[in-house]
Amino acid sequence: QVQLVDSGGGVFQPGKSLRLSCAASGFTFSSYSMHWVRQAPGRGLEWVSLITYDASKMYYTDAVQGRFLISRDNSKNMLYLQMDSLRLEDTAVYYCAKSGGPAATTIFDSWGQGALVTVSS
Amino acid sequence: DIQMTQSPSSVSASVGDRVTITCRASQGINSWLAWYQQKPGKAPKLLINKASTLQSGVPSRFSGNGSGTDFTLTISSLQPEDFATYYCQQANSFPPTFGQGTKLEIK
Repeated sequence: QVQLVDSGGGVFQPGKSLRLSCAASGFTFSSYSMHWVRQAPGRGLEWVSLITYDASKMYYTDAVQGRFLISRDNSKNMLYLQMDSLRLEDTAVYYCAKSGGPAATTIFDSWGQGALVTVSS
Repeated sequence: DIQMTQSPSSVSASVGDRVTITCRASQGINSWLAWYQQKPGKAPKLLINKASTLQSGVPSRFSGNGSGTDFTLTISSLQPEDFATYYCQQANSFPPTFGQGTKLEIK
């Protein structure tokens, strides 16, 4: 079965950097677009970033454009989110999520358990 | 961006009740709507996609309906495990956007 395991969260100061990782298994990782979705404490869900199956295209929400970089290593079944110039408002649980396939690229049919990122001085 | 508005924001109900949650899109999204269930401290779970297609393993008491701008999620007979927060999400236009959530609580 599909398994996504998020890691790399913690407490970080404003302006610092971190990299989140997502280890995927149970499906052909290289065939699916992948996403990061975040949820601030007590708030709703917010899509953050998308990378296509072959890493040819990446997309970001405006709030992180220019600060975050999504990447993947299909040989290792790994998804990453490099987060630079952290802001207080980046505090959230970050979930990696698998797309529903080429006909449902922005449907999230499997999710990781989440990694909590706290930005605090 | 397309705005998704859910109503109500919270609802109290009893085991066995029938509950309907509404989701409205700020512009037409055809049938590109998904519903997710999230329990406290857990990741969301996809229940329904393309407005009415039940994901494998999701109980048949869950159903989705609608197209264009107005959608509903109905739980026909609430079970104890259904008390959670539900989110709609549009997948018609980029970026994908979610509703603010509907918290389903035990009466």
